[in-house]
Amino acid sequence: ETGVTQSPTHLIKTRGQQVTLRCSSQSGHNTVSWYQQALGQGPQFIFQYYREEENGRGNFPPRFSGLQFPNYSSELNVNALELDDSALYLCASSLYNTGELFFGEGSRLTVL
Amino acid sequence: AQSVSQHNHHVILSEAASLELGCNYSYGGTVNLFWYVQYPGQHLQLLLKYFSGDPLVKGIKGFEAEFIKSKFSFNLRKPSVQWSDTAEYFCAVNARTGANNLFFGTGTRLTVIP
Repeated sequence: ETGVTQSPTHLIKTRGQQVTLRCSSQSGHNTVSWYQQALGQGPQFIFQYYREEENGRGNFPPRFSGLQFPNYSSELNVNALELDDSALYLCASSLYNTGELFFGEGSRLTVL
Repeated sequence: AQSVSQHNHHVILSEAASLELGCNYSYGGTVNLFWYVQYPGQHLQLLLKYFSGDPLVKGIKGFEAEFIKSKFSFNLRKPSVQWSDTAEYFCAVNARTGANNLFFGTGTRLTVIP
């Protein structure tokens, strides 16, 4: 076990709705990254949070946003859901700039 | 931009066969290299990593990988696979400096037949 926990594990939304996914990082880690893994694909980097600020972003539109809290936990928010947002969303925690990520089990989002 | 290519989408082997999964990356700077494994229904787990030093790195469960800088490759090997190695394997790379964001390949599904 990595010590990274995500909730919820599964959820179903309809197009146009908003969703919030949550992540608790491993004890001692100060950085949280979010990835999207579509079916049959490798994870794709969404963004990373360090010291409660976004510290790098992949090729995702602004309707993907996030937060990091003082206890290093994090949220991923997606507005105006689209069918293509259906995927497994992975949270990973790490120490800043160490290069090694520890992943949670993911939140599987289905958009109908 | 960084990218990672995994040549094999699905590999099927019998138990005790040898395994080699290919991984090539594209990036002009210094990188860290990783292999992650995703067993059915489980989270991504780190198999092994290369940061610097000896280009032959050993990981968990008997896996090893060799970094060949001239070929931009980081192939994963195991001399003798077991049924329990059935999983999805992902090669990943990140830049040595800056944010920790990993670039993943599309993965190779390994099926080991008992």
